[in-house]
Amino acid sequence: SAVISQKPSRDICQRGTSLTIQCQVDSQVTMMFWYRQQPGQSLTLIATANQGSEATYESGFVIDKFPISRPNLTFSTLTVSNMSPEDSSIYLCSVVFSSMAGELFFGEGSRLTVL
Amino acid sequence: AQSVSQHNHHVILSEAASLELGCNYSYGGTVNLFWYVQYPGQHLQLLLKYFSGDPLVKGIKGFEAEFIKSKFSFNLRKPSVQWSDTAEYFCAVRAGNNRKLIWGLGTSLAVNP
Repeated sequence: SAVISQKPSRDICQRGTSLTIQCQVDSQVTMMFWYRQQPGQSLTLIATANQGSEATYESGFVIDKFPISRPNLTFSTLTVSNMSPEDSSIYLCSVVFSSMAGELFFGEGSRLTVL
Repeated sequence: AQSVSQHNHHVILSEAASLELGCNYSYGGTVNLFWYVQYPGQHLQLLLKYFSGDPLVKGIKGFEAEFIKSKFSFNLRKPSVQWSDTAEYFCAVRAGNNRKLIWGLGTSLAVNP
């Protein structure tokens, strides 16, 4: 399996600021996703990062709050905008290397705390 | 709506005890089924998966799971747990041609030495 690197691994931010999380994979992937994992809750899909076009957002998530870029097949960013304490969570990058039926591989996550 | 239910939220076992974690899903068609594990301080990783064929699937570290279509279940088992199995376990289902995985809430397993 490939290496999926996320930066930052953790951060503490002030309310109202924005933070960009980077996901770098060491080989080309078919699909890239961004998830949120809140304490005591299941993984929630935020969006699918589409290469060269706008991301596909899930219900409850919007581009203005979570802008996503994917300029190529190995890199994506997720920005959490105008943060509030409710955005405190672990944000996970995940990828699929083959077909849609393939398994997901995950980065180590970015733990965000908003004060 | 499609959903995944993991019956046990917290499980505490002693070493050498047998483990079975329940997972049920709500979808009547073709499914892909997954169990992921997250060890303390580590990233999520695949334990095992079922796409088709033999409904008894063997994964890493001595884990196995059985797909019972009539019960919409995909329970995870291990005959003898170790302290190193202490982790969070997630069941996930891909329903039909949907690209999205539906996740259970997870089960926290603590194994006492």
